[in-house]
Amino acid sequence: GQNIDQPTEMTATEGAIVQINCTYQTSGFNGLFWYQQHAGEAPTFLSYNVLDGLEEKGRFSSFLSRSKGYSYLLLKELQMKDSASYLCAVRDPNAGGFKTIFGAGTRLFVKA
Amino acid sequence: EAGVAQSPRYKIIEKRQSVAFWCNPISGHATLYWYQQILGQGPKLLIQFQNNGVVDDSQLPKDRFSAERLKGVDSTLKIQPAKLEDSAVYLCACRSGGAYEQFFGPGTRLTVL
Repeated sequence: GQNIDQPTEMTATEGAIVQINCTYQTSGFNGLFWYQQHAGEAPTFLSYNVLDGLEEKGRFSSFLSRSKGYSYLLLKELQMKDSASYLCAVRDPNAGGFKTIFGAGTRLFVKA
Repeated sequence: EAGVAQSPRYKIIEKRQSVAFWCNPISGHATLYWYQQILGQGPKLLIQFQNNGVVDDSQLPKDRFSAERLKGVDSTLKIQPAKLEDSAVYLCACRSGGAYEQFFGPGTRLTVL
């Protein structure tokens, strides 16, 4: 089966660091995405990991362990504008057309 | 480059009525997706096109939903007849060949009463 798990909600303080975890079980794996989605808006691309390890991009970093079926998104120096949902998604080559399967998302609340 | 355009942005209909959504992807992006996103959930793929051919429509409720992508550019998604559980945001996304990132449109928020 296909299953992607992330925490439903998280709260963190402005200026702090937060780690959003994602575990997945899919029939195949060809990469993992993180998207950011502000309320009422479209998802926007944050990162794509296909190999194990940490990818850093400014305040955001994404980690992948394929053997553990695990990823996390690390947000540093949190800002109020980082309050959004963060979607973990897996690209499955065994699904027609390399389907991207999304998790339900983690709603992050950043407080002052 | 211009982004993904969708219309309408909002639509309210009664159950059993019909509705259609339109999407204009980024120029040159051959792959086009329609997703359904119910409140509090992640996007669920309904149908994927490669140019004007269907690649995956395994999760499209074909008894009521239909989609087409004439000439491999614009696409329309239709629901006929609508049910209460179709209330959701319908997102259109596109991807260029060889790239991984999908670009999403602003979505159409459908409310079925």
